[in-house]
Amino acid sequence: QVQLVQSGTEVKKPGASVKVACKASGYTFTSFGISWVRQAPGQGLAWMAWISPYNGNTKFAQEFQDRVTLTTDTSTSTAYMELKSLRSDDTAMYFCARVDVVVAASDSWGQGTLVTVSS
Amino acid sequence: EIVLTQSPGTLSLSPGERATLSCRASQSVSSSYLAWYQQKPGQAPRLLIYGSSTRATGIPDRFSGSGSGTDFTLTISRLEPEDFAVYYCQHFGGTLWMFGQGTKVESK
Repeated sequence: QVQLVQSGTEVKKPGASVKVACKASGYTFTSFGISWVRQAPGQGLAWMAWISPYNGNTKFAQEFQDRVTLTTDTSTSTAYMELKSLRSDDTAMYFCARVDVVVAASDSWGQGTLVTVSS
Repeated sequence: EIVLTQSPGTLSLSPGERATLSCRASQSVSSSYLAWYQQKPGQAPRLLIYGSSTRATGIPDRFSGSGSGTDFTLTISRLEPEDFAVYYCQHFGGTLWMFGQGTKVESK
């Protein structure tokens, strides 16, 4: 079955960077995109960015464009999201999600990675 | 940039009642690119509806989606205890994939 497993909880200081991993299994990794979505405590979902593991194409929400780097490792079916220059308001749960462009939706999600930014 | 506005913010209903959730887009969007998700506390979102009206795999038929243009609706025909959650609409289009702010369906 399709599964996305994310790396564990992170605690970072302001100004640092964090890199979250999302390991996919149960499907052909290069056939589907990966989106990243964050959710601040008690808040709604915010789409951040998308990457195609097939060709490396990316899309970013404007507010994350300058601070987020997306990469994939097709040999391990793992997607990575790096967020730089962390601020306290980056404290949130970060989800990866498989994107099926045929149905134009995210049909499988990782369990989430909590990133806490605190001095 | 397309903005999705969901209403109401909170819906207080009893099990067995019908829930009607609205998602309004700031400009006309293709119904092919409108999806609905359910999120329960402490869990990742789950895809319910894609293409504005097609149920995802394993989603019960009490969930239905409809709409076109700027107005879309998610209907839960008879609320089950496990349906109390937050629901989000999402538009896939162009260079941005936006979520609405969510509607919480709570037990009255």
